[in-house]
Amino acid sequence: GAVVSQHPSRVICKSGTSVKIECRSLDFQATTMFWYRQFPKQSLMLMATSNEGSKATYEQGVEKDKFLINHASLTLSTLTVTSAHPEDSSFYICSAGQGSELFFGSGTQLSVL
Amino acid sequence: GQQVMQIPQYQHVQEGEDFTTYCNSSTTLSNIQWYKQRPGGHPVFLIQLVKSGEVKKQKRLTFQFGEAKKNSSLHITATQTTDVGTYFCAGTGTASKLTFGTGTRLQVTL
Repeated sequence: GAVVSQHPSRVICKSGTSVKIECRSLDFQATTMFWYRQFPKQSLMLMATSNEGSKATYEQGVEKDKFLINHASLTLSTLTVTSAHPEDSSFYICSAGQGSELFFGSGTQLSVL
Repeated sequence: GQQVMQIPQYQHVQEGEDFTTYCNSSTTLSNIQWYKQRPGGHPVFLIQLVKSGEVKKQKRLTFQFGEAKKNSSLHITATQTTDVGTYFCAGTGTASKLTFGTGTRLQVTL
């Protein structure tokens, strides 16, 4: 199946700093990518839909100025957590669809001290 | 908004026992997908069901989509330790948005 690469897999940062997470579709082009957040032992909550060449669509309750999404090419979407705080600590995971199937990146565990 | 609930939240079985997780949506779905997430890993697509009443099998796994297209189930026959993980259903509703279920965590012991 298709491969989605996500980097970094783990990041620890100080409160107030910004963290960028990259999501790449390695062997296919993705006009749309999805960003999810997952708390321990909980489900995946869709944060936003990243659209190549246009603005991302954010889910209700997700601050677009806090979670900046850029989808500048057909194979790369980035999520930047700006001015991170401890409550932003979570597992962030991206996905891209090929046909009806979603392929997920390996996720990024963010810990904000 | 659309809500997708799964029961049970957690199940612990002995290897060889059967396991079933049930998925219920608050709205009618155009399709239902199932994913497996191993501990520490990312979700992996298992299958998609589209038709009302559809049943699909993958080796020991049987997937079913309800007649009303609001519920689904995943049944594993004779579980193995490799089946350990969290099983998520995910349904596409009227807004063409995929909503993940709450998940069922399966633990299998010898």
